[in-house]
Amino acid sequence: KAGVTQTPRYLIKTRGQQVTLSCSPISGHRSVSWYQQTPGQGLQFLFEYFSETQRNKGNFPGRFSGRQFSNSRSEMNVSTLELGDSALYLCASSLVPGIRDGYTFGSGTRLTVV
Amino acid sequence: AQSVTQLGSHVSVSEGALVLLRCNYSSSVPPYLFWYVQYPNQGLQLLLKYTSAATLVKGINGFEAEFKKSETSFHLTKPSAHMSDAAEYFCAVSDGTGGSYIPTFGRGTSLIVHP
Repeated sequence: KAGVTQTPRYLIKTRGQQVTLSCSPISGHRSVSWYQQTPGQGLQFLFEYFSETQRNKGNFPGRFSGRQFSNSRSEMNVSTLELGDSALYLCASSLVPGIRDGYTFGSGTRLTVV
Repeated sequence: AQSVTQLGSHVSVSEGALVLLRCNYSSSVPPYLFWYVQYPNQGLQLLLKYTSAATLVKGINGFEAEFKKSETSFHLTKPSAHMSDAAEYFCAVSDGTGGSYIPTFGRGTSLIVHP
């Protein structure tokens, strides 16, 4: 079966712009989580969605937002981009919330802010 | 609060040698523990998981890990390293405190395999 699909794979944006990233989970998975990965901070949790509802949110400013659609696909948006937002953004899917079975990750979107 | 520490940001081994990647965790309740591997320009792939069954857990690609409660450790091992094992390895802990199973990831250990 198809894995977790993230689009686009690479993005270059200018400071002050906004960006939308997309994630399609594994078929049948209803929970989607987002992570930011940087060399300095490692993997940091952004959001967790289930049944179109945000269940948990990490410690990020309000410029970071997300949503989930009825088909479980998810998007995250970053507004007013800053240089420090340059990172690999990873989407992870699971059948339901709760990490007991582990996540399946997508290949990520590499965002570069210039 | 849960936390995880991976000792050594880089580990270098020769091909055919034993691989040992260290992970220590902190949790107020019995945790779920995971190891993931990340190859360049890819996402994380689940290697193995401990969910309170057998303390010795076998994963993919010949890796295994042993849960030691007394030492609060979950070290990853492989008897014989292969060049294709070169990657970044992440340990993660999740204990459900506060009703959330959002995992905390370690900072990662880069495994370098020399021919």
